[in-house]
Amino acid sequence: LAKTTQPISMDSYEGQEVNITCSHNNIATNDYITWYQQFPSQGPRFIIQGYKTKVTNEVASLFIPADRKSSTLSLPRVSLSDTAVYYCLVGSGGGADGLTFGKGTHLIIQP
Amino acid sequence: KAGVTQTPRYLIKTRGQQVTLSCSPISGHRSVSWYQQTPGQGLQFLFEYFSETQRNKGNFPGRFSGRQFSNSRSEMNVSTLELGDSALYLCASSLSQGGVNTEAFFGQGTRLTVV
Repeated sequence: LAKTTQPISMDSYEGQEVNITCSHNNIATNDYITWYQQFPSQGPRFIIQGYKTKVTNEVASLFIPADRKSSTLSLPRVSLSDTAVYYCLVGSGGGADGLTFGKGTHLIIQP
Repeated sequence: KAGVTQTPRYLIKTRGQQVTLSCSPISGHRSVSWYQQTPGQGLQFLFEYFSETQRNKGNFPGRFSGRQFSNSRSEMNVSTLELGDSALYLCASSLSQGGVNTEAFFGQGTRLTVV
């Protein structure tokens, strides 16, 4: 599984756009990039997944450059309820090691 | 449709006892995975069941075991509880065998406290 590096914590304000970058230098050709969000005492929730270029859904966008060695999760116009831990996962199918969650990024949104 | 249901939500046990946790996956999902989350170690993979067979196992002692029934419901058992087993135990279900390229749906977890 490719190792991922993301900031331990980030702060922002309501209404701002937040970008969280994840580095994954050893990403393999068949690896996907997936982001999960977790609130305290709850299970993680799938946010978005991508392989290359840009993916957008109703809650976020995922930008992946051509070399795929990093990816950026973009949250538009955040609110207080977006305060959570965000995990970047890189890998492929098969589930040999389950989902490997790192420390994640603790995003704190202030009024 | 109903999400992943874990029971019980909270549990207090004494050292040396054993405990069984239950997980009902989303209807139609055949894969159930279990995770342990603690403040110190974060989220760690325990094992995955697919079509009633354990497919993968994380690095946990044999005290941790599980099973999956024909209706895909799964149970996890921890025997001879230790204080360090206090954690949030999470269950995740997915349509196919789990992986980063498969969306996993997590339950709200069971908070186990060992005293």
